[in-house]
Amino acid sequence: SQKIEQNSEALNIQEGKTATLTCNYTNYSPAYLQWYRQDPGRGPVFLLLIRENEKEKRKERLKVTFDTTLKQSLFHITASQPADSATYLCALDKGGYNKLIFGAGTRLAVHP
Amino acid sequence: GAVVSQHPSRVICKSGTSVKIECRSLDFQATTMFWYRQFPKQSLMLMATSNEGSKATYEQGVEKDKFLINHASLTLSTLTVTSAHPEDSSFYICSARASSGNTIYFGEGSWLTVV
Repeated sequence: SQKIEQNSEALNIQEGKTATLTCNYTNYSPAYLQWYRQDPGRGPVFLLLIRENEKEKRKERLKVTFDTTLKQSLFHITASQPADSATYLCALDKGGYNKLIFGAGTRLAVHP
Repeated sequence: GAVVSQHPSRVICKSGTSVKIECRSLDFQATTMFWYRQFPKQSLMLMATSNEGSKATYEQGVEKDKFLINHASLTLSTLTVTSAHPEDSSFYICSARASSGNTIYFGEGSWLTVV
């Protein structure tokens, strides 16, 4: 079955630096991959979707890459701010049925 | 943007009772909604897929008789936890996929505490 691996250790960075989070998956390559932000006690908030035929996608300070050969997606936040501190979840569709399965998430802490 | 609303946001119930959680898509029609549960510091676990007008599809290991799902309209799905047990205490989150597109929108979640 498909497994999604995200670094379970918290990522601590200094304000203004670029945060890079990793998402690796096993088994088949999904048609698309999504990134979400989750704050404590809240539901996930959609950030970006990248399709299998797209290498990179950007949205403001966010950038996502998708390497189907490595079976990996990287999520970058440039010029990070303390407000970016949250848990970031990687998700992909389960078997093409539009059912999302999630990684465990990586907690990002941006320090002033 | 699209909004998905869950109610209640927090609920406490006694063991053995049933509790219903509602999930509504406020500004779009959702033919498909999904229910997840999340334990502290763990990922979201997909419980079931709710399809408007038909029976829900449950993931392996999820008891369909315990977690009743009804998707009566294009904007409302409900999850009823029956004969609640303290082990059912968790954060329940719903999501909805618009009839067009692949983006899935999540509700704010519902905290269930069974005492």
